[in-house]
Amino acid sequence: GDSVTQMEGPVTLSEEAFLTINCTYTATGYPSLFWYVQYPGEGLQLLLKATKADDKGSNKGFEATYRKETTSFHLEKGSVQVSDSAVYFCALSAVTGFQKLVFGTGTRLLVSP
Amino acid sequence: DADVTQTPRNRITKTGKRIMLECSQTKGHDRMYWYRQDPGLGLRLIYYSFDVKDINKGEISDGYSVSRQAQAKFSLSLESAIPNQTALYFCATSDPGLKQETQYFGPGTRLLVL
Repeated sequence: GDSVTQMEGPVTLSEEAFLTINCTYTATGYPSLFWYVQYPGEGLQLLLKATKADDKGSNKGFEATYRKETTSFHLEKGSVQVSDSAVYFCALSAVTGFQKLVFGTGTRLLVSP
Repeated sequence: DADVTQTPRNRITKTGKRIMLECSQTKGHDRMYWYRQDPGLGLRLIYYSFDVKDINKGEISDGYSVSRQAQAKFSLSLESAIPNQTALYFCATSDPGLKQETQYFGPGTRLLVL
């Protein structure tokens, strides 16, 4: 079945450091791919998405490119801030039937001043 | 005001008790979902509803039931709570009019079953 694998955390960085959170997927066909973010005490909110191969999703300085050849959707940000501290979830939307979301296990990011 | 609200936000209960978690939304979306989040497991789908008359089981529905009282309300019940149902529960909504629709999440209910 469809699945998403993302790097275990926590990822600990200093402010202004470069961020990469790896995400790979297994799916039939060409799913849409998402990154959701969960700030402390809150629900998940969509950070960015890409719906086809080579698409780049971007928002709030974060970017991720849909790489069909490597089945990956790595999240990057050039300069993180303390306010980026959160848990990040990679997810895919199944292609067939009900387009349910399949989530990775989440990666906690901790940014220190 | 929040578009997706959940009550209660925190709940402690005992094994064998019946408990209901409630979700309300003001987004006007037809589709609603219940997930549970466990450390190291991400989010898993419990039930989903495409409209008031259409309710479907997700991947982990055993031990749970749901009720879609109206377009805006979707409740999750644990008929006889057990400790391994201790988790963070999220409600979500989406609009089927959009391809690859985004899901909008509530703030979550933290449930502890003793």
